[in-house]
Amino acid sequence: EVQVVESGGGLVKPGESLRLSCAASGFTYSTYSMDWVRQAPGKGLEWVSSISSSSTYIYYADSVKGRFTTSRDNAKNSLYLQMNSLRAEDTAVYYCARVAVRGVYFDLWGQGTLVTVSS
Amino acid sequence: VVTQEPSFSVSPGGTVTFTCGLSSGSVSTTFYPSWYRQTPGQAPRTLIYSTNTRSSGVPDRFSGSILGNKAALTIAGAQAEDECSYYCVLYMGSGIWVFGGGTKLTVL
Repeated sequence: EVQVVESGGGLVKPGESLRLSCAASGFTYSTYSMDWVRQAPGKGLEWVSSISSSSTYIYYADSVKGRFTTSRDNAKNSLYLQMNSLRAEDTAVYYCARVAVRGVYFDLWGQGTLVTVSS
Repeated sequence: VVTQEPSFSVSPGGTVTFTCGLSSGSVSTTFYPSWYRQTPGQAPRTLIYSTNTRSSGVPDRFSGSILGNKAALTIAGAQAEDECSYYCVLYMGSGIWVFGGGTKLTVL
């Protein structure tokens, strides 16, 4: 089955760190760019970060630049989001999303993992 | 900023068109507008990409277009199951994407 599954969410205090993972299966992971998209409770979707297939290009939203780091391990079919200096406003469900090879859009989404930043 | 109507209401069987604009400038095909639907507690699901291409399995009552200076999603013959939130996203280049705030559709 073609899928991506996020993990690593949880409750952390402001200023702490957390690392999210996204495990891909059922497709040739190394050929796809991957993104992180988040959704705060009751709010809309917000793009967080993109990483190209070979990690050559990595981009971040201004809201997380300098605090979050995206990486991938193509040998392990995995995507990561290292989140440092977490803030209350980072509380959200974090989705892993695959960028289509043909076309410019997200063609596969995970179910998300919840990150809660609260003291 | 990508703009969407916060909410819309349509009668069953009716037609509704949502738009996706830019606070400054016009949306064109070069932004590769795509549309996603999301029900509460679920992951987004792809509807339309590259302005007007339906994703696999999406009913043909969903269509995308450029209307004036905005991208648009039209649902013709709305059904109760279409009641959810709809998001557009524009590709700004250099790996950067910007989502609209979403439109919550009520079918009644």
